[in-house]
Amino acid sequence: AQTVTQSQPEMSVQEAETVTLSCTYDTSESDYYLFWYKQPPSRQMILVIRQEAYKQQNATENRFSVNFQKAAKSFSLKISDSQLGDAAMYFCAYRRWGSGTSYGKLTFGQGTILTVHP
Amino acid sequence: DGGITQSPKYLFRKEGQNVTLSCEQNLNHDAMYWYRQDPGQGLRLIYYSQIVNDFQKGDIAEGYSVSREKKESFPLTVTSAQKNPTAFYLCASTAGDMNTEAFFGQGTRLTVV
Repeated sequence: AQTVTQSQPEMSVQEAETVTLSCTYDTSESDYYLFWYKQPPSRQMILVIRQEAYKQQNATENRFSVNFQKAAKSFSLKISDSQLGDAAMYFCAYRRWGSGTSYGKLTFGQGTILTVHP
Repeated sequence: DGGITQSPKYLFRKEGQNVTLSCEQNLNHDAMYWYRQDPGQGLRLIYYSQIVNDFQKGDIAEGYSVSREKKESFPLTVTSAQKNPTAFYLCASTAGDMNTEAFFGQGTRLTVV
């Protein structure tokens, strides 16, 4: 079974600064997806970024980028130029590679609460 | 607009009563999922379903039941057998193919007193 671990229950950052959230995972599979989801106070889950394990290039989405280290099973999220609207709970998640319902299941980490100070 | 609707947003029940949480999607997705969220534990999978009249247990299915009579609907019943039912419940769906993301509802906060 796969596991996902977020070792930082809480992080804080000053507005306009950069912050990195950590995530490690354990799997015996070679192909899979990794995700970062954002959950603001509204509690709506929002996909921030996705990484396919077969891709060596790290995914980026505007101010959000990841550092994917497959051998180390590490998947950190870097938020640049932090904004007040980035304040939220962030979840790292794992999904198996493949089609079908069982492959669509997500395994989540415990979450990291990010506070952004003005 | 396409999306997933969960209702109600807040639900209060007395201990010992069964309660059903609604989840409806108009995305034409085949697969639907129920997750439970507790502080410090992230989201955990309760049940999932790929097609009508078929569903599978997730990691924490004890004390819960589901049905999938229609493709659009996947209600979750929290039974009196669930020892700690107070939690935030999220419903999600995916198209079922390989390159797809999960779409989430806005959740239901269940409080059992």
